[in-house]
Amino acid sequence: DTGVSQNPRHKITKRGQNVTFRCDPISEHNRLYWYRQTLGQGPEFLTYFQNEAQLEKSRLLSDRFSAERPKGSFSTLEIQRTEQGDSAMYLCASSLEDGGYTFGSGTRLTVV
Amino acid sequence: AQSVTQLGSHVSVSEGALVLLRCNYSSSVPPYLFWYVQYPNQGLQLLLKYTSAATLVKGINGFEAEFKKSETSFHLTKPSAHMSDAAEYFCAVTINNRKLIWGLGTSLAVNP
Repeated sequence: DTGVSQNPRHKITKRGQNVTFRCDPISEHNRLYWYRQTLGQGPEFLTYFQNEAQLEKSRLLSDRFSAERPKGSFSTLEIQRTEQGDSAMYLCASSLEDGGYTFGSGTRLTVV
Repeated sequence: AQSVTQLGSHVSVSEGALVLLRCNYSSSVPPYLFWYVQYPNQGLQLLLKYTSAATLVKGINGFEAEFKKSETSFHLTKPSAHMSDAAEYFCAVTINNRKLIWGLGTSLAVNP
């Protein structure tokens, strides 16, 4: 297992288009998290799964954002009708229940 | 509510000098605390974590941190800075071992 994998690494999209990102966690990790990071800031929590259940969702996540984790394995984060303010690095992490999150390399989204 | 404050958004040291990056937290219950490092255009790498065991925690790359409950601090240190230590460092706290609450980060520059 090579860690948390995120695809794509970079995505450039036109405003108004939909985008979907994928995260493949470490296989034995039952927890999966999505964070967003803008330049010069720390990551902001978006949502969290334990197995396939989405247990918490930040108020930062508007109705245009949705995340899924079917079968408790990989996860997808979809953004509909993208806006320029959505431009950021989207980070995925996974963990066991004792913390020590492992992060992926992130997907950098640029909305033009 | 939990929060993390990193004192000093930019720290500059000479190669071979002591590195000290400050982190103070706010929590009403015993926290788990983490330090992560981020190199440009990369994801976050766990340096070390405190999970209520030993108060002095040793991490990777020669870094260590000491949990001081009386001072609500978890400062990161390294005896001798190396050029490769130049990066962004983030302190984070979790209470329920779910989402991480992050500091704004400290950019470390190492001068030859």
